[in-house]
Amino acid sequence: AQSVTQPDIHITVSEGASLELRCNYSYGATPYLFWYVQSPGQGLQLLLKYFSGDTLVQGIKGFEAEFKRSQSSFNLRKPSVHWSDAAEYFCAVMDTGRRALTFGSGTRLQVQP
Amino acid sequence: NAGVTQTPKFRILKIGQSMTLQCTQDMNHNYMYWYRQDPGMGLKLIYYSVGAGITDKGEVPNGYNVSRSTTEDFPLRLELAAPSQTSVYFCASSYMTGGYNSPLHFGNGTRLTVT
Repeated sequence: AQSVTQPDIHITVSEGASLELRCNYSYGATPYLFWYVQSPGQGLQLLLKYFSGDTLVQGIKGFEAEFKRSQSSFNLRKPSVHWSDAAEYFCAVMDTGRRALTFGSGTRLQVQP
Repeated sequence: NAGVTQTPKFRILKIGQSMTLQCTQDMNHNYMYWYRQDPGMGLKLIYYSVGAGITDKGEVPNGYNVSRSTTEDFPLRLELAAPSQTSVYFCASSYMTGGYNSPLHFGNGTRLTVT
């Protein structure tokens, strides 16, 4: 069965600093990978997705992610963090049998002024 | 554009009570899902539906029931509420065709407390 691991429960960065959130997946075939963001009290919003082609994927709000098959990773990056990026971030892989997402446990991002 | 709408936003139940969480979408999506979110645990799939009249169990279906009589609506029923069902519940929908890269669209959630 597929699974997703987000090793960092909580990350704090200074505003303007760069950000990298880690995601490792376990899946037998070519994975379909997603990053979502959840602001407090809100639902989940799609940041970006990967399913084939270029391994560097651009998303909304200045985020990007790189798929590395050799490391089973799909890390999320942003060159310069803004205070409004403070939220919880979830990595997910598509369960192709159910056509549903399997989520990691999330990483909470705090941004210091 | 309403998207996925969940009601109620908050609810407190006593142990043993029952309730229905409502979910409706206006995007004509064929797939719909119910997830629960517990602190530090990510989202776990409860039930999903591939179309009207067809539902199936996810990872954590015990204590819940669903139905899908229309494309738009996918209610989640708790028959005998237990403290372990205290959680935030999210409904989602997606338009799935031949591939697997369609994203899920989420509602804003229902926060349920069972005491």
